[in-house]
Amino acid sequence: KAGVTQTPRYLIKTRGQQVTLSCSPISGHRSVSWYQQTPGQGLQFLFEYFSETQRNKGNFPGRFSGRQFSNSRSEMNVSTLELGDSALYLCASSLGGLKTGELFFGEGSRLTVL
Amino acid sequence: QKEVEQNSGPLSVPEGAIASLNCTYSDRGSQSFFWYRQYSGKSPELIMFIYSNGDKEDGRFTAQLNKASQYVSLLIRDSQPSDSATYLCAVIAYSGAGSYQLTFGKGTKLSVIP
Repeated sequence: KAGVTQTPRYLIKTRGQQVTLSCSPISGHRSVSWYQQTPGQGLQFLFEYFSETQRNKGNFPGRFSGRQFSNSRSEMNVSTLELGDSALYLCASSLGGLKTGELFFGEGSRLTVL
Repeated sequence: QKEVEQNSGPLSVPEGAIASLNCTYSDRGSQSFFWYRQYSGKSPELIMFIYSNGDKEDGRFTAQLNKASQYVSLLIRDSQPSDSATYLCAVIAYSGAGSYQLTFGKGTKLSVIP
């Protein structure tokens, strides 16, 4: 059974640019959630999509957005990048959704903003 | 702002000893509690979850929950060098209008000394 796949694994951007990250969940999982992990702030929840609808949202600015497609694959977009957006971005898939807490994480996309 | 606090460590224990990891949370309405293990350079993986007051055992791991004290802990018996990792406490609370908030602690780094 394939795990959660995230692409790209590494990317470098400059301030002001925008970036799109992709996440393919485990087959059959309809929930995809996104997280930002930094040494200073730890792992922080961005948002969750379930059956193409955003169901839960963390405390991040509107520059962070996402969407989910009918095949459950999800994308996250960050616009007008800032230096502080440099982080590991993780996505997780879940059969029952965020409220079950049973999340399966991908390997992450490491974003560096210069 | 819901908070989850963990001692950052590092917590060092000798091989074969019991490792005790602690977590406190601020939202008294929190419903579900999880422990994730994250090896260096890897993504988090779920190792335990607990919903009710008391103890829950799974092999060498025991999760303990005390909702009155807003405290959850993870005990690792017969600690092995392979248990050396960062342990993340995660808490889910209902935030209204059908939404849930997932909050992670910043993690406790455990080092098991052979």
